[in-house]
Amino acid sequence: DVKVTQSSRYLVKRTGEKVFLECVQDMDHENMFWYRQDPGLGLRLIYFSYDVKMKEKGDIPEGYSVSREKKERFSLILESASTNQTSMYLCASSLRAGEQYFGPGTRLTVT
Amino acid sequence: AQTVTQSQPEMSVQEAETVTLSCTYDTSESNYYLFWYKQPPSRQMILVIRQEAYKQQNATENRFSVNFQKAAKSFSLKISDSQLGDTAMYFCAFMKHGEVDMRFGAGTRLTVKP
Repeated sequence: DVKVTQSSRYLVKRTGEKVFLECVQDMDHENMFWYRQDPGLGLRLIYFSYDVKMKEKGDIPEGYSVSREKKERFSLILESASTNQTSMYLCASSLRAGEQYFGPGTRLTVT
Repeated sequence: AQTVTQSQPEMSVQEAETVTLSCTYDTSESNYYLFWYKQPPSRQMILVIRQEAYKQQNATENRFSVNFQKAAKSFSLKISDSQLGDTAMYFCAFMKHGEVDMRFGAGTRLTVKP
């Protein structure tokens, strides 16, 4: 079974803090994705990566950056967290242009 | 940009009955993929069913089937013999052929009542 894990299920940070969300997949997938999930808005793509050190902006990249130094790991970085970044963050991975496998999510609260 | 619309924020159905969730999308592409994902309460999102646009036959997975109307850009999900475990958020998603990123709808919260 494909396994996608995320470093934290719940996270509380203060405004202005630098926040790292980590995602690891164990199936040698080429592609990895970060979404945020908000009620009434569904999943919105923040960034994705199709290879090590490669990244592409999604629909809402502002205020976020990403890092992919190893194939299995994809990090989402909030350089200076703000209250409007309070959300559920979902990581996913896929092999080529196939179905995406999701992690359990990180519920981030910025106070 | 492609958009995916799920017009039913919430639905409910009695156990053992059939329910249909709606999804429409907007694209100028002719070749693409459509997906339905399920997110049970406090659990990970999983794929329910997938449809390739070039296939005229509707996809089926056990109690789950789709009604794919390409000309109408409609992709509804039918759940037959609903079970309590079908209670979840359901998301419709679109992916262009040759690309790897998906676009999701806002979701439909389905509650199966005993």
